This record gives sequence, structure tokens and C-alpha cells, in this order.
Amino acid sequence: NAGVTQTPKFQVLKTGQSMTLQCAQDMNHEYMSWYRQDPGMGLRLIHYSVGAGITDQGEVPNGYNVSRSTTEDFPLRLLSAAPSQTSVYFCASRINRGATNSPLHFGNGTRLTVT
Amino acid sequence: AQKVTQAQTEISVVEKEDVTLDCVYETRDTTYYLFWYKQPPSGELVFLIRRNSFDEQNEISGRYSWNFQKSTSSFNFTITASQVVDSAVYFCATLTQTGANNLFFGTGTRLTVIP
Repeated sequence: NAGVTQTPKFQVLKTGQSMTLQCAQDMNHEYMSWYRQDPGMGLRLIHYSVGAGITDQGEVPNGYNVSRSTTEDFPLRLLSAAPSQTSVYFCASRINRGATNSPLHFGNGTRLTVT
Repeated sequence: AQKVTQAQTEISVVEKEDVTLDCVYETRDTTYYLFWYKQPPSGELVFLIRRNSFDEQNEISGRYSWNFQKSTSSFNFTITASQVVDSAVYFCATLTQTGANNLFFGTGTRLTVIP
């Protein structure tokens, strides 16, 4: 049972480049989310999904797109990277939206640097 | 809207000292949940505890204890007889029973335990 898997672990982009951060979970979790972690700001929610085909914006969605075509995968796309998107990105999942008794399961993070 | 305040940005203690990490939350919901997560230097996020708003009993787990007080909107975390392995960033977070039950994090407290 791999849990939540994020790839790549590290990535360096140039301003204006695009890329996709991958996130996959094998726990059949309906709820998935993306956070970014910046020094002194904790973790902030970018986008989330409560099930396949359903996505919504979080606290800081600008510059990011997501899709949820399958239950397992929740990729995060940067269409035109900017230095302000330099951060550590975490993907997380939970059984479903209503499972407030269950903690979020986090991936190990992707460290992205935009130069 | 939810808010979590961790006023202590960094704390340093000498090994075997006790240390308390403060967490103050704001929410308009009558039912809510509070969490603590640990992020060791390796970077992963480790779930520590979850509390419901209707259960104010304090929790003890080994050297860890949590004091939940609704009267002061606080959910403080105490480590007794700290060890070097406790060095990490600790995040307090809140999750409400409305909407998609997204997790909102505080900015974290970096704890350094000096041997």
C-alpha cells in the first residue's frame, strides 16, 4: 500500500515554462487536495476535489489548474511558471468529504524552484 | 472563516525540558475539529492528534499531551521531557463540518531541542 505518491520530488523550472505535478493515491479516497508550503505561511490550500470529475478552488488557486478524471489521480498544472510559485507542494487525500474523523494522508512533497 | 494562530514562530529548549506549543483558533461553526501535525526535518507531514469540539477531555499519549479549552479557543500541545527527535515544525489545524471540510493550517512553530 503506497498511500499518496507525488512525483517528481524536485523540479527546477524557468519562468514561463509549464509542468504538471503528479499525485496518485491507492486508498480509493474520494477527497484529494493540493497545498503549498512557504516559510512563515504554513500550508495553504490551492485546489481540492471531492470526487472524480469534481474540483474546486482553495485559498490560493491563481496560476494553477487541476483535473480529476479518475479517483486515483489528481495532477496539479502550472501553465506558466512564475518565481512566486517557488514552494514545496503537498498532495493529500482522505476517504471522503464527510470523513471528519479521518486525518489527511499526505504525500512526501515536491520541491519546486522557478528561476 | 476559520483561522488558526500559532504565535510562537520558533522555540528552543534544552533536552529533557518540557515545552508547550500554543494554538488559538477561530471558527463560527458549533461543530469543528482540531488537529496537530508534525513535520520533521525530513519534510513529511505526520498526523499526531484530532479533537472534536464537543469533547474537551485532555489527551495524553506518552510524552505528548494536549489541552483543549473552548473557553479560550485554545488547543495547546505539551511535550514532556523533550528529546532531540522532537525537533520539528509543528502545525495546528482546524477542519469544519461545513462545505468540503478542508483543513486550514496555522503558520507552524519550529521546535529545536538542544542536546
